[in-house]
Amino acid sequence: DAKTTQPPSMDCAEGRAANLPCNHSTISGNEYVYWYRQIHSQGPQYIIHGLKNNETNEMASLIITEDRKSSTLILPHATLRDTAVYYCIVRVPNQGGKLIFGQGTELSVKP
Amino acid sequence: NAGVMQNPRHLVRRRGQEARLRCSPMKGHSHVYWYRQLPEEGLKFMVYLQKENIIDESGMPKERFSAEFPKEGPSILRIQQVVRGDSAAYFCASSLGRQETQYFGPGTRLLVL
Repeated sequence: DAKTTQPPSMDCAEGRAANLPCNHSTISGNEYVYWYRQIHSQGPQYIIHGLKNNETNEMASLIITEDRKSSTLILPHATLRDTAVYYCIVRVPNQGGKLIFGQGTELSVKP
Repeated sequence: NAGVMQNPRHLVRRRGQEARLRCSPMKGHSHVYWYRQLPEEGLKFMVYLQKENIIDESGMPKERFSAEFPKEGPSILRIQQVVRGDSAAYFCASSLGRQETQYFGPGTRLLVL
């Protein structure tokens, strides 16, 4: 399994950019990096995913290093509603569609 | 587009009863996944189904738990003879294909008294 390592918690001031790091040093060449978040026990919400190139959508940006061993999720202007647990997940090839969730990073956005 | 729907949202059962959790995938999605989140723990994969077939049940407890996804209708996660340790949030996700993005429902909170 390609495993991920995330800091257990982070704080961010409202209106500032939140940069959430993820290490995945054993990632394989065909594995995607996915980000989900879970707000207070709601269902996990898909944010973004990528393979090699940086990606951006209406929610966030994903920066993947050239060696693909780490990535950063960027929330450009964090709001109080972005307070959640953020999960970085590497899709495991040839093991069906299941997602393997780690402990994630608990992001607290403060006024 | 309606998202993944789950019902009931909350379910209370006494020990020994049966619990049936339903999941309606997003329109056009034929792949369904069930995950469980025990109190103060992370999300754990349980089972992956594609219309009428169980593809991966490696995360399912060996006894009392079963899942189906019939040709018509929602996917059902069935727990027989529930015990207090089954109390958890059960989430369903769906996707267009095997490696496509999974979208989650709001979950069913099961409480076993």
